[in-house]
This record gives sequence, structure tokens and C-alpha cells, in this order.
Amino acid sequence: KAGVTQTPRYLIKTRGQQVTLSCSPISGHRSVSWYQQTPGQGLQFLFEYFSETQRNKGNFPGRFSGRQFSNSRSEMNVSTLELGDSALYLCASSSAGTDQETQYFGPGTRLLVL
Amino acid sequence: AQSVTQPDIHITVSEGASLELRCNYSYGATPYLFWYVQSPGQGLQLLLKYFSGDTLVQGIKGFEAEFKRSQSSFNLRKPSVHWSDAAEYFCAVGAWSGNTGKLIFGQGTTLQVKP
Repeated sequence: KAGVTQTPRYLIKTRGQQVTLSCSPISGHRSVSWYQQTPGQGLQFLFEYFSETQRNKGNFPGRFSGRQFSNSRSEMNVSTLELGDSALYLCASSSAGTDQETQYFGPGTRLLVL
Repeated sequence: AQSVTQPDIHITVSEGASLELRCNYSYGATPYLFWYVQSPGQGLQLLLKYFSGDTLVQGIKGFEAEFKRSQSSFNLRKPSVHWSDAAEYFCAVGAWSGNTGKLIFGQGTTLQVKP
């Protein structure tokens, strides 16, 4: 099976712009989670989607949003970008998002905000 | 509050030497514990996981970890380190409630391997 794919891999934006990142989960996986990784804050949970519904959300401002499509692909959007949004954004998928499953991570999208 | 602590930010070992990376967690219920590895510019790869049963778990690439409930620890070990093991290692606890949850990660330990 193909792994989790994320596009684009690299992105440069300027402050105030918005950005959309895409994640395609492993075939058959219906749960998609997003994490932000920064040197200062480490890996932090953004949100989790299952069957097109957001089931869980981390402690991030409303500028961070996401959605999931019927084929389980997910997008996250960040509006009004700030310098502090520069980070590696990782997507992870699992079959149903239950507690004893492994989450498989994609390679990430590296976002640089100038 | 649920948390994971990796006390060592950076560790340097010689190739062929043994390795132990420390991980302590704080979690009220039975923890589901994971170790992931991240090479530069890459995503996270699962090394091993503990859900229940035998407290010594084997993973990929010759890694193992031991769950010690009394010490709230889940330390990662490898008997003989290879240069290709140089990477950043993350310990995580699964925090689930109802039908959803998330991984809570430690700050990571960067492993440098000396030739």
C-alpha cells in the first residue's frame, strides 16, 4: 500500500496570506489527524477527522481549519498567516482513529511564512 | 494533565555502543505508548508501540523498549548503534476519550552517532 502523501512538500507564503495543505491517507484509512511541529513548541495536535466530521480539535486559533472529503482525503487551511505559523505540518492516518491503532505519518509540508 | 517528558535533548554515542533514550509520561489511565523516529526532512516513522501485555516490546531496526508502570517510564534501547540511527526520536502517549483522541509527544531527543 502507498503511504500517507502530503502536498505540497514545501511552501513559502507572506504574512496575511492564506494557505491550504493536502493530505491523502493510506487507502482504507478513514481517520486523518494533523499536527504542527515547530522547534519551540514541538509536535502539537491540530485536529482529527473521521468520515468527514471533525471529532477532535487542539488548542489552536480559529485561523486553523480543516475538512475531510468523502474519499478520506483531508485539507487544512490557515488564514491570515503569521510568522509563527512557520512549521512542519504533519498528517497522520489510521483505520478508524481508535485508541489501539497506529497512526501512520506522511512526510509533512514545510511552510515558511515571510 | 497528560504529558510526556524526554529528559535528554541531545545524546551522542559512538557507533557500536549501546543506547538508552529516556521517556517519562503522565497519564491517568492505562497508557498506550509509542516511539517514533524522524530523520531530517522526513515525517515520523513508528519504531514500536506498547498497548498491553509483555512490558518489553520489540520494534524495527533492532530497537526495544520497556514499560515500567511504577516508574511511569518507557525507555528505548538498542544494544549496538549504527551510524544510520542518527535522527530525532520522539516518545508519545495516546490520549483517547470516547471515540477520538490524539498523540501527546515529548520534546524529542536528537541522537548523534560518532564514527
